[in-house]
Amino acid sequence: DAKTTQPPSMDYAEGRAANLPCNHSTISGNEYVYWYRQIHSQGPQYIIHGLKNNETNEMASLIITEDRKSSTLILPHATLRDTAVYYCIVRVRDDKIIFGKGTRLHILP
Amino acid sequence: ETGVTQTPRHLVMGMTNKKSLKCEQHLGHNAMYWYKQSAKKPLELMFVYNFKEQTENNSVPSRFSPECPNSSHLFLHLHTLQPEDSALYLCASSPDTGETQYFGPGTRLLVL
Repeated sequence: DAKTTQPPSMDYAEGRAANLPCNHSTISGNEYVYWYRQIHSQGPQYIIHGLKNNETNEMASLIITEDRKSSTLILPHATLRDTAVYYCIVRVRDDKIIFGKGTRLHILP
Repeated sequence: ETGVTQTPRHLVMGMTNKKSLKCEQHLGHNAMYWYKQSAKKPLELMFVYNFKEQTENNSVPSRFSPECPNSSHLFLHLHTLQPEDSALYLCASSPDTGETQYFGPGTRLLVL
């Protein structure tokens, strides 16, 4: 079973920052938080991952709370092409990825 | 493009047919994976290969037969499938089994 809880869907206006929350209250010290997204009928796309510190790359920022029980993926300037299902995954290195239902993000024009 | 390609992208087959799905990665990775995504279900891991050796079989029926001739290529041989096997079949690769996975575009399979 997935170890994370995400809202089933969220809407944001194009050009605004999209903040996608994820709860992982049972996360253990050696588990990483990964984010993937899946645009309709395509393969999942890796976005970002982190352990304790906040992370940023060209796609997004990952903010992890100090107690590590939740995190937020931030898409700084969402576009229509960011419409997808976003998966928050908690895993130890060498462990399998277990995908949950994710958050269906709609970016509205 | 992720560096992982899959062919064919779409496949329609009868229950008595034999077909194969192909995955190729151009990333120099050592681990490769097959996933199944049925309609309205989460992705399910099917098989894991590391350095051409199968390291995981997630209780997949024998009508699905994987083959990994080298670290760059992965096949899924299909035989006497059922309509409920219709799904999106995804291949992924990673540098090693513990690391970030990169997915191909998938093969959309319809079994009639």
